[in-house]
Amino acid sequence: SQQGEEDPQALSIQEGENATMNCSYKTSINNLQWYRQNSGRGLVHLILIRSNEREKHSGRLRVTLDTSKKSSSLLITASRAADTASYFCATAYDRGSTLGRLYFGRGTQLTVWP
Amino acid sequence: DGGITQSPKYLFRKEGQNVTLSCEQNLNHDAMYWYRQDPGQGLRLIYYSQIVNDFQKGDIAEGYSVSREKKESFPLTVTSAQKNPTAFYLCASSPGTGSHQPQHFGDGTRLSIL
Repeated sequence: SQQGEEDPQALSIQEGENATMNCSYKTSINNLQWYRQNSGRGLVHLILIRSNEREKHSGRLRVTLDTSKKSSSLLITASRAADTASYFCATAYDRGSTLGRLYFGRGTQLTVWP
Repeated sequence: DGGITQSPKYLFRKEGQNVTLSCEQNLNHDAMYWYRQDPGQGLRLIYYSQIVNDFQKGDIAEGYSVSREKKESFPLTVTSAQKNPTAFYLCASSPGTGSHQPQHFGDGTRLSIL
């Protein structure tokens, strides 16, 4: 399968704590993207990391990529109740029939309690 | 404001009926996508289009059809051949065919069987 797999499936924390979600994949990628989905809404792009990058930051988000282990992690620091959502990783390959496609995992459901 | 508009938000289908889900974007994006999301699962690609008058099947195209007559519009028809259509349907677009660019999503259509 070309889709990523997130871990854990569900994560419950208190406001102010950090949240870490992981994504593993099986074949070589061109880039990996993280998306957020609030309940009943569409996905919103958070951050993209290319295969030749190891770490990227955007506000309270930090993404790492380890291509040797075929894994990525998304860290949300100082979480807030408004961060409650599902988080998905999506992998991109850009080769042949996979050009332009993204393969989404099943997501991690994050709940942040006030 | 630029974005993607999906309509209707909720749709009910009777047995043997075809229904069409609308997706319109004013982002001037070349590529458009249709995904299906079932509870506890990630997004599965139904169809995608990289340019007007052209589209490709995704992983679960059976029972669905699309057209791409205009750049801004990519309607999805759920035919009577789709025996289990109850799901959340998401439309997305991206500027070009390369997956380096993030996908922008609409807020979805929830389809149920009467």
